[in-house]
Amino acid sequence: AQKVTQAQTEISVVEKEDVTLDCVYETRDTTYYLFWYKQPPSGELVFLIRRNSFDEQNEISGRYSWNFQKSTSSFNFTITASQVVDSAVYFCALSDGGGTSYGKLTFGQGTILTVHP
Amino acid sequence: GAGVSQTPSNKVTEKGKYVELRCDPISGHTALYWYRQSLGQGPEFLIYFQGTGAADDSGLPNDRFFAVRPEGSVSTLKIQRTERGDSAVYLCASSPQGSSYNEQFFGPGTRLTVL
Repeated sequence: AQKVTQAQTEISVVEKEDVTLDCVYETRDTTYYLFWYKQPPSGELVFLIRRNSFDEQNEISGRYSWNFQKSTSSFNFTITASQVVDSAVYFCALSDGGGTSYGKLTFGQGTILTVHP
Repeated sequence: GAGVSQTPSNKVTEKGKYVELRCDPISGHTALYWYRQSLGQGPEFLIYFQGTGAADDSGLPNDRFFAVRPEGSVSTLKIQRTERGDSAVYLCASSPQGSSYNEQFFGPGTRLTVL
């Protein structure tokens, strides 16, 4: 069975601080995909990133960066110089990537990020 | 282009009633997913459609829940004899194909409240 754990329920920072959201996953699959989604107050989940299990290269996109470490089954997300608009709930998710996979997502509980001015 | 739309945005009903929740996926997307998000939790998978057929309905909690996608586009999630525990946000997502490689595009959800 797959499982995603986001141990941080809520994080509160002041604007311009850096913040890291933790994600730990469990799966028996050798091929899988990891995702991060953002859920702003409007409620619609917004895709941020997808990584496959064979690519441990860290990724940076603007103020966002992701650190994937298979050895610790973690896929952490860092926001540099946070802004008020970053306030949202962030979800880490996992999907198996085998030949018969159809993309069913297993989500973590989410981390509520509040960035204060 | 238009994203995934869901109607109604809010639905309040009484215990025991029947409800239907509608999802309009992005045009041309063959894969459609329903998830349920309870307060303070992450979304949980309910059912997956590839075209018109329900390829995996293992997430439906019981036989009061049923979903259809008769023409391979719009989908309707149907809940019979609603219970207070069914209160949640029901999310629909679509994807060009049913694979982990493809991004799922989510709708804004339908907030169901069962009194």
